[in-house]
Parts: sequence; C-alpha cells; structure tokens
Amino acid sequence: DQQVKQNSPSLSVQEGRISILNCDYTNSMFDYFLWYKKYPAEGPTFLISISSIKDKNEDGRFTVFLNKSAKHLSLHIVPSQPGDSAVYFCAASEGNNAGNMLTFGGGTRLMVKP
Amino acid sequence: DADVTQTPRNRITKTGKRIMLECSQTKGHDRMYWYRQDPGLGLRLIYYSFDVKDINKGEISDGYSVSRQAQAKFSLSLESAIPNQTALYFCATSDWTGVLETQYFGPGTRLLVL
Repeated sequence: DQQVKQNSPSLSVQEGRISILNCDYTNSMFDYFLWYKKYPAEGPTFLISISSIKDKNEDGRFTVFLNKSAKHLSLHIVPSQPGDSAVYFCAASEGNNAGNMLTFGGGTRLMVKP
Repeated sequence: DADVTQTPRNRITKTGKRIMLECSQTKGHDRMYWYRQDPGLGLRLIYYSFDVKDINKGEISDGYSVSRQAQAKFSLSLESAIPNQTALYFCATSDWTGVLETQYFGPGTRLLVL
C-alpha cells in the first residue's frame, strides 16, 4: 500500500485563481514533508517543505498546510500562473530515522489556463 | 552547468541486455539515490548511498545493482533488462543537515526495454 497518496491525478485552474493540491499519508512516523515540482523532460525540483512541529509554511505564492490529526497536507498556490503548470509530488520522511528516505506520492498534474 | 547530470538521457534496449545508467554530481554531496518513476506511482527508491563505502537497497532493488565509484559518481545497472523495467529513472543527491534533508534531482533517463 502506498503510504503517501495524491488522490487527484490532475487539476485544472484558471490563471489568477487559487490552486489547491492535496496529499494524504498513513505513516504516523512521518514528520517532515516536502513538495516537488516537475516539468516535462526535467527532474523534480524542491519547492517547499514543512516540519511536523508546524502547521503552516509560506514561501511567496506557495503555502503548505499540515493537519497531523487528519494525516493530510495541502499546497496552495495563489495566484496561479501558467508557468506553474507541472506535475507536483508530495513526499514524506521519518525525520531522524536512519536513511531519511523520502516516500513520494503519485503526483498531481496541474494545468493553469491563461 | 547542471549540478546533477545523467547519461544517457534516453535508451532503448532489448530484453536480456545489460545496461548501465550513470549519474554525476558537482554539488559535493555525500548522499546519492536512484529512483524510478512510473505513471501514478510517483518515485520509488531503488538504491541509495550515504558515502562511497555505503550502499543500501531501497524499496524496489530486485533486478538492479549499483556502484559508487567516487563521491561524485553513482551508477545503476540492469544486469538483464526486462520490459517491466521500462520507466523514467532519476538520480538524486542530498545535503543532510542533521535535521532536514532536501534532495536534488538529475534530469532523468528514459529507458525502454523491448
């Protein structure tokens, strides 16, 4: 079973509006969460992260919210721009556990229409 | 110049052939990783290495082997390729701060096994 799930394979949003990408996880030991963005023919690039001691982290137009009780995190992009069109992966790790390996969700393809 | 490079970028091979995918990095990171991406499954970890003398299996290591020739080089081999190894392969490096980890990905190698 996938420990990190992104249940929406795709999302379409109008330019200027808010994009909300969701991610659920099942492993209660996860305590560090990241979002990566991937353009075609490129590797994923780090976007934003959040530690489990926080419930919100903001970086410019990007905000990640963490709800530990619901084991849910979301990425908000406001305002959305056509250049934000990409595949977004959420990832989680067990902090100081050996390896700190990242477990990735399946990705959500965001399309921002002009 | 890119910090993490992968060669080749595209490869077509036949079932039973041995192939090697190469990864080089100029970031000076000790940690390196190999992932494969399949549609809807996100990125799954194949092998990882925390330094030149350290090699560890990931989630899906069967059918793969790796070699860490130097801090900057980490190669992935398919000893006898099979069609279900057709995927997009990514190499990544990370800067471990002792608390948090961010991974930096190469551009990927698209492999087709006929």
